[in-house]
Amino acid sequence: DAGVIQSPRHEVTEMGQEVTLRCKPISGHNSLFWYRQTMMRGLELLIYFNNNVPIDDSGMPEDRFSAKMPNASFSTLKIQPSEPRDSAVYFCASSPSGGAGETQYFGPGTRLLVL
Amino acid sequence: QKEVEQNSGPLSVPEGAIASLNCTYSDRGSQSFFWYRQYSGKSPELIMSIYSNGDKEDGRFTAQLNKASQYVSLLIRDSQPSDSATYLCAVIQNQAGTALIFGKGTTLSVSS
Repeated sequence: DAGVIQSPRHEVTEMGQEVTLRCKPISGHNSLFWYRQTMMRGLELLIYFNNNVPIDDSGMPEDRFSAKMPNASFSTLKIQPSEPRDSAVYFCASSPSGGAGETQYFGPGTRLLVL
Repeated sequence: QKEVEQNSGPLSVPEGAIASLNCTYSDRGSQSFFWYRQYSGKSPELIMSIYSNGDKEDGRFTAQLNKASQYVSLLIRDSQPSDSATYLCAVIQNQAGTALIFGKGTTLSVSS
């Protein structure tokens, strides 16, 4: 079975441009998580969905960030406009039902560089 | 906001030695704890979870939890060069028991 799929794997863009990151969770998983990883701040939860509904978006840094999950097999994280401080690795993860202690399976990540 | 603290390292051990990785957390009410391993340039993968005080063993890995001291550790016996990675400690963040808050990780280097 395929794991979590993310695209693109690498993205280089200029400040002010819109960036869209995509994620396909593991089939049958009902919970999806977006994380951001930087050297300074480590791995931070941005938002998570359960059954396509955003449950907690308190980690979204500001209004420039938005996330959607239109169906069980697809989610997007959009940054508009992008800024150099958004440069990071963005991970998507999924878990079967989001229950306490469940293993979260991470995708390969999208490495974003904003110039 | 719960906090999870780890020594960033690097922690260097010779092959065959025991590597000891430590983590402290701020929220006394935390109930679930996890250790993830992340190889350079790769994504995190779960290696251990622990929920109650004491030790939990899985192969060469032992997780130890002391809730009174708000301390969780990971021991790796017979360390191998393939264990060289960053180890992330994580705790459940919210009441629903779903979202994780991660420490910044400890980098382990095992020399052959």
